[in-house]
Amino acid sequence: GNSVTQMEGPVTLSEEAFLTINCTYTATGYPSLFWYVQYPGEGLQLLLKATKADDKGSNKGFEATYRKETTSFHLEKGSVQVSDSAVYFCALSVKGQGAQKLVFGQGTRLTINP
Amino acid sequence: ETGVTQTPRHLVMGMTNKKSLKCEQHLGHNAMYWYKQSAKKPLELMFVYSLEERVENNSVPSRFSPECPNSSHLFLHLHTLQPEDSALYLCASSQEGLTSDTQYFGPGTRLTVL
Repeated sequence: GNSVTQMEGPVTLSEEAFLTINCTYTATGYPSLFWYVQYPGEGLQLLLKATKADDKGSNKGFEATYRKETTSFHLEKGSVQVSDSAVYFCALSVKGQGAQKLVFGQGTRLTINP
Repeated sequence: ETGVTQTPRHLVMGMTNKKSLKCEQHLGHNAMYWYKQSAKKPLELMFVYSLEERVENNSVPSRFSPECPNSSHLFLHLHTLQPEDSALYLCASSQEGLTSDTQYFGPGTRLTVL
């Protein structure tokens, strides 16, 4: 079946630290891969995506590379800020009955201290 | 307004009440989704509508009843809920048929069942 496994949280870092949140997936076919972010009290926002192997998605200093050989899509940022504190969700898309479905990981809560 | 909007943002109801959640998308999409987000659990896909037809119902109890009167609006009718139904209910939309399969989320309705 299709599933996404994320790094267990919570993760706490100091400002300007390097961030990695691991994500691995199991899927039939060739899914698209996503990172969504949820700030406190809000819904999910698309952070970045990649649609095929070796694609790199990037946004707001975050990046992730679609690695088919390791079935991974790890999220990285070189220097985090307090404003990056949020919950991060890795997801893959699969075609359902007439519409695509997103399968989410459990989420990783990130806290950045000043 | 732009994007995906949801009303109300917060709702408290008793187990015998009947209420409805509303979602509206202003993106010209043709597919809409309801998700449930509970504490410490991955996001659960509840219903999918594509071209105003329900294409997926993930074993959701009948006390949840979706309605999609047109491609821009989606409702979730609630009746005789249980306390364990307390959660954040998220609506999303996407454009089916394109290579880009991104779902865009609303801010959610925080539901508390007493």
